[in-house]
Amino acid sequence: EIVLTQSPGTLSLSPGERATLSCRASQSVSSSYLAWYQQKPGQAPRLLIYGASSRATGIPDRFSGSGSGTDFTLTISRLEPEDFAVYYCQQSRAFGQGTKVEIK
Amino acid sequence: EVQLVQSGAEVKKPGESLKISCKGSGYSFTSYWIGWVRQMPGKGLEWMGIIYPGDSDTRYSPSFQGQVTISADKSISTAYLQWSSLKASDTAMYYCARLGTSRDFDYWGQGTLVTVSS
Repeated sequence: EIVLTQSPGTLSLSPGERATLSCRASQSVSSSYLAWYQQKPGQAPRLLIYGASSRATGIPDRFSGSGSGTDFTLTISRLEPEDFAVYYCQQSRAFGQGTKVEIK
Repeated sequence: EVQLVQSGAEVKKPGESLKISCKGSGYSFTSYWIGWVRQMPGKGLEWMGIIYPGDSDTRYSPSFQGQVTISADKSISTAYLQWSSLKASDTAMYYCARLGTSRDFDYWGQGTLVTVSS
């Protein structure tokens, strides 16, 4: 069973800064099936990235995904006020525990 | 427009049964897997299981196997999640979501809050 570990648990940044979120798998996984989601309070998750690096429909290009094997990264190039949220990675049946991006 | 609309919030007592629903529209309901995801209060996302409405093929996470039943009625484009005997620990938000071609969940329902309390 694959375990996904996200780091850091919380990221405190200011609007305009760059955010780098990590997702590490307990064993090598197919990048074809690595996804990232954003969840805001009181809302359902929203798909951001699929296939490790492809943006979902309507997702701004400040969001990008990369990685392969066991190490994957979600990067938000310049944080907008609406980007402060919790982010989850997923590979097949496993979700990471989430990274909260909060306003510093 | 793809939409998944879930049934409303439920308050139940321990030991009671429950079936919640997820109605799909705007796409071919029988051509995509539908999954269920649990989110306990203040916690992360948990993959529960998926169903293919075309033939009702169902897969469960080992953590949820035997604890819940996932079903679908393709004639009304609706998937279900049910419990035969609820526990307080079943208190959570439950989301349905469509499984995309890359095994991601590309469209989500609004969630159904289930509260189990005596």
